[in-house]
Amino acid sequence: SQKIEQNSEALNIQEGKTATLTCNYTNYSPAYLQWYRQDPGRGPVFLLLIRENEKEKRKERLKVTFDTTLKQSLFHITASQPADSATYLCASQNRDDKIIFGKGTRLHILP
Amino acid sequence: DAGVIQSPRHEVTEMGQEVTLRCKLISGHNSLFWYRQTMMRGLELLIYFNNNVPIDDSGMPEDRFSAKMPNASFSTLKIQPSEPRDSAVYFCASRLAGADTQYFGPGTRLTVL
Repeated sequence: SQKIEQNSEALNIQEGKTATLTCNYTNYSPAYLQWYRQDPGRGPVFLLLIRENEKEKRKERLKVTFDTTLKQSLFHITASQPADSATYLCASQNRDDKIIFGKGTRLHILP
Repeated sequence: DAGVIQSPRHEVTEMGQEVTLRCKLISGHNSLFWYRQTMMRGLELLIYFNNNVPIDDSGMPEDRFSAKMPNASFSTLKIQPSEPRDSAVYFCASRLAGADTQYFGPGTRLTVL
């Protein structure tokens, strides 16, 4: 079955460092991957999208990569700040519009 | 724009009761997604609509769940009868035709006792 996996362990990063989150998919080839941020008690908020023919996408301090050989996407936050602390969700979408979300990784930026 | 609106924000009910969750899409959007989020299973897609038509309901757990779009801007998700294992946060999200980004509502936290 199609699976998308994120590291379920919380990630603690010192303020100012780069946080890197991993998303791996198996048994399919998504047309694109999306990254969302979710704060407690709120719905997910879209951050970035990367298509299968793109290697890298950037937006301000955020960077996403898509490696179809490794079946993996990496999400980077540079110069991390305590306000970046949240749960980050990876989602894949096939050409038939089927969307699968990972369980998310909790990120804590330590002051 | 007010964003996606969901009601109620919290619902506590007893097993066997009918539960109706409501969602209002962002004006002009024509795709609607219902999700359920739990600690164990994460965020799961239940059903989605394009232009009021259900496209994929393979995520609907069983016949106790039903979803409708009586008009282009409004949707309901009904659980009848509810069970304790239905306790979760239910989100709806809307999307503009041809776009990739979904906009999520604030969610409804459902507790079935």
